[in-house]
Amino acid sequence: ELKVEQNPLFLSMQEGKNYTIYCNYSTTSDRLYWYRQDPGKSLESLFVLLSNGAVKQEGRLMASLDTKARLSTLHITAAVHDLSATYFCAVDRYQAGTALIFGKGTTLSVSS
Amino acid sequence: DAGVIQSPRHEVTEMGQEVTLRCKLISGHNSLFWYRQTMMRGLELLIYFNNNVPIDDSGMPEDRFSAKMPNASFSTLKIQPSEPRDSAVYFCASSLQGQTGELFFGEGSRLTVL
Repeated sequence: ELKVEQNPLFLSMQEGKNYTIYCNYSTTSDRLYWYRQDPGKSLESLFVLLSNGAVKQEGRLMASLDTKARLSTLHITAAVHDLSATYFCAVDRYQAGTALIFGKGTTLSVSS
Repeated sequence: DAGVIQSPRHEVTEMGQEVTLRCKLISGHNSLFWYRQTMMRGLELLIYFNNNVPIDDSGMPEDRFSAKMPNASFSTLKIQPSEPRDSAVYFCASSLQGQTGELFFGEGSRLTVL
């Protein structure tokens, strides 16, 4: 059974600080996805990582993928309050662009 | 372009009643996914369809749950009879098979079973 584990599950940060969220998975998939969810809202796609070594950046967020280590990271640079949300990573169950299995999510709270 | 459209957005019902949740895919997408989100269990994949055909329903909790895709753009998830433990947010998502695998989610249907 495919397992997707995120840590930490809860993260309280100060504005301006840097931090990294980790996503480990148990399959050999070379596709990994990051989503953001605001409270009471839907899931919004942030990054699609499709190969080993892939790195994508959007604003203060940067995601990377190491398929050999079965690890993806989401790095937050100089956090701001607007980044407060829950972040999910997801892995393709069948390694063919099909069903995504999600981690438990990391709830990020950024305060001044 | 319209995104994935779900209805109803909120549903409150009593135990034993039938519940039907509806989903309209993004035009041109050919894969449809139903997920359930709860605090305890997180996001669970219930079932997914490709080109109207159910591919994997191993996540459907039990026989009380059923899902159909009567045409290429529409799906229903039915719970009969409903139980309090079915209370959750049910998300529908769609994608275009053979591309990046990125899912596009609807706004969700929040179900409360009393």
